Amino acid sequence: AQSVTQPDIHITVSEGASLELRCNYSYGATPYLFWYVQSPGQGLQLLLKYFSGDTLVQGIKGFEAEFKRSQSSFNLRKPSVHWSDAAEYFCAVAVAGKSTFGDGTTLTVKP
Amino acid sequence: DAMVIQNPRYQVTQFGKPVTLSCSQTLNHNVMYWYQQKSSQAPKLLFHYYDKDFNNEADTPDNFQSRRPNTSFCFLDIRSPGLGDAAMYLCATSRAGDSDEQYFGPGTRLTVT
Repeated sequence: AQSVTQPDIHITVSEGASLELRCNYSYGATPYLFWYVQSPGQGLQLLLKYFSGDTLVQGIKGFEAEFKRSQSSFNLRKPSVHWSDAAEYFCAVAVAGKSTFGDGTTLTVKP
Repeated sequence: DAMVIQNPRYQVTQFGKPVTLSCSQTLNHNVMYWYQQKSSQAPKLLFHYYDKDFNNEADTPDNFQSRRPNTSFCFLDIRSPGLGDAAMYLCATSRAGDSDEQYFGPGTRLTVT
């Protein structure tokens, strides 16, 4: 069965600083990979996804993620964080029509 | 514009009193999912429908049931809620297959008193 690990439970960055959220997955082949964002009391919104091809994918709100097969990683990045980016971020893998989510990383943005 | 709608947004029920949460979608997606999400945890898949085909997760308690009367609607029934069932319940849809992202509703926050 597939699994997802997000090693950082909580990250704090200053507004304007760069951001990297880590995601590692375990699966025998390359799964479909997603990053979602969840604001307090809301559902999840897709930021970006990777299926195949170019390993650097662009998403909404200025986010990007890079798939590295050798490291089984799919890290999320943003060059300059805005206060509105404060939220919970979930990495997910999809296999056989079902998604498995990591435990999430809470992002706090300092003014 | 709402694509996945969940009602109610907040539900309070008493211990042991049956409760039904509803989800509707305007996307005409084949697949509908129900997740349970407890505070600071990942969403946990309870079950999903692929069209009319029901797929239950092995560890979903029997206390949780679901109905999908048509493409647009899906219901989550909790027959005898316990205190441990207090959580956010998320409904999601997707067209089909692994490659499609899921579209989530805003969730229903269930409180059990």
